[in-house]
Amino acid sequence: AQKITQTQPGMFVQEKEAVTLDCTYDTSDPSYGLFWYKQPSSGEMIFLIYQGSYDQQNATEGRYSLNFQKARKSANLVISASQLGDSAMYFCAMREGTGYSTLTFGKGTMLLVSP
Amino acid sequence: GAGVSQSPSNKVTEKGKDVELRCDPISGHTALYWYRQSLGQGLEFLIYFQGNSAPDKSGLPSDRFSAERTGGSVSTLTIQRTQQEDSAVYLCASSRTTGGRYEQYFGPGTRLTVT
Repeated sequence: AQKITQTQPGMFVQEKEAVTLDCTYDTSDPSYGLFWYKQPSSGEMIFLIYQGSYDQQNATEGRYSLNFQKARKSANLVISASQLGDSAMYFCAMREGTGYSTLTFGKGTMLLVSP
Repeated sequence: GAGVSQSPSNKVTEKGKDVELRCDPISGHTALYWYRQSLGQGLEFLIYFQGNSAPDKSGLPSDRFSAERTGGSVSTLTIQRTQQEDSAVYLCASSRTTGGRYEQYFGPGTRLTVT
């Protein structure tokens, strides 16, 4: 079974609009961390935002927020006021357990922002 | 400060040759990870090093792949007798604990093409 599922291969949004990128996860470990990364066409993976399984509040980082619904095992990324520079591939990832551990990535969602 | 660096940025090699890919992590980061990104397989974990512990090699696809980390810093991923299916982008990441997040910071990758 997929541990991280991103069901949207591609998304389109107009500049200045908000967009939600979906991510669901599967784990039996009570301790885990969820991450979102952005990969522009240049190829580098850029860390955007983190949500811990025990965090009571949804994470926010500037225009990025994470809509964490633990019971549904979903961790959707919300980008507010989209900009042309937001056009990129977005990956959801999970670290299981505590401490240093590898990340399991979803297949990604390609976001295109139009003027 | 300086991010994760990788060299070379591009490598073209003939089938059957050995290649070495280098990763220089962020100073002070104790954990170092190698991933592979290919069109068909997405992002796959290969191997990771944490401090002086034995590396987690559970993601290496075959015994043609090996990696070492010298002095707790620079790492080299070696692929022996390269095959065409080894063509991919090889990404290195490093991390340290930041309030329990353990987020990983990625380098720009090495694009390997096996002809």
